[in-house]
Amino acid sequence: GQQLNQSPQSMFIQEGEDVSMNCTSSSIFNTWLWYKQDPGEGPVLLIALYKAGELTSNGRLTAQFGITRKDSFLNISASIPSDVGIYFCAALNYGGSQGNLIFGKGTKLSVKP
Amino acid sequence: EAEVAQSPRYKITEKSQAVAFWCDPISGHATLYWYRQILGQGPELLVQFQDESVVDDSQLPKDRFSAERLKGVDSTLKIQPAELGDSAMYLCASSFSAGQPYGYTFGSGTRLTVV
Repeated sequence: GQQLNQSPQSMFIQEGEDVSMNCTSSSIFNTWLWYKQDPGEGPVLLIALYKAGELTSNGRLTAQFGITRKDSFLNISASIPSDVGIYFCAALNYGGSQGNLIFGKGTKLSVKP
Repeated sequence: EAEVAQSPRYKITEKSQAVAFWCDPISGHATLYWYRQILGQGPELLVQFQDESVVDDSQLPKDRFSAERLKGVDSTLKIQPAELGDSAMYLCASSFSAGQPYGYTFGSGTRLTVV
């Protein structure tokens, strides 16, 4: 079935550092999404990408939809302690009757003050 | 801000018992999804509804799991009998329509522990 390979699995960084994580697939998708999940909570949408090559920012977060439509990356600049959590990439082919998101396995981010 | 409501937040049950989870999607969202998230993994779809109809239940273990959305609004996911391997977070999500990423919103989930 369709799978998303997300890396790295975990990151332990110093406050103020920049963070980069990515997601790849052997399948083509027309929508890529990045979520953050805090312990005991549901995923919260950070950035949505709908067009190949699109680069979108949300505050200190920047994400790009790869031109091959098989990958995406997320950057976090100047990390702060509240960035701690698990970041998931997800992908979707919208327009059909199926609407399920395919998720990566997550990147666990730890920030040292 | 509109939310997807789920209850209970936490549930502990003994194996072989029945357990049920409830979800109320965002008003106006025709599509409702149930996902299961095992610790350390990303969520995986169990079932998708469009209004009151099941669109995709290919990953739902139908021997023990059932889901309904009788009036096309709120939904219930049931497990009977529960097994130890069912311990996970059960997440509900809703969106305006199937395959539509806009407004795709998750609830806070139900954490199930089977003992």
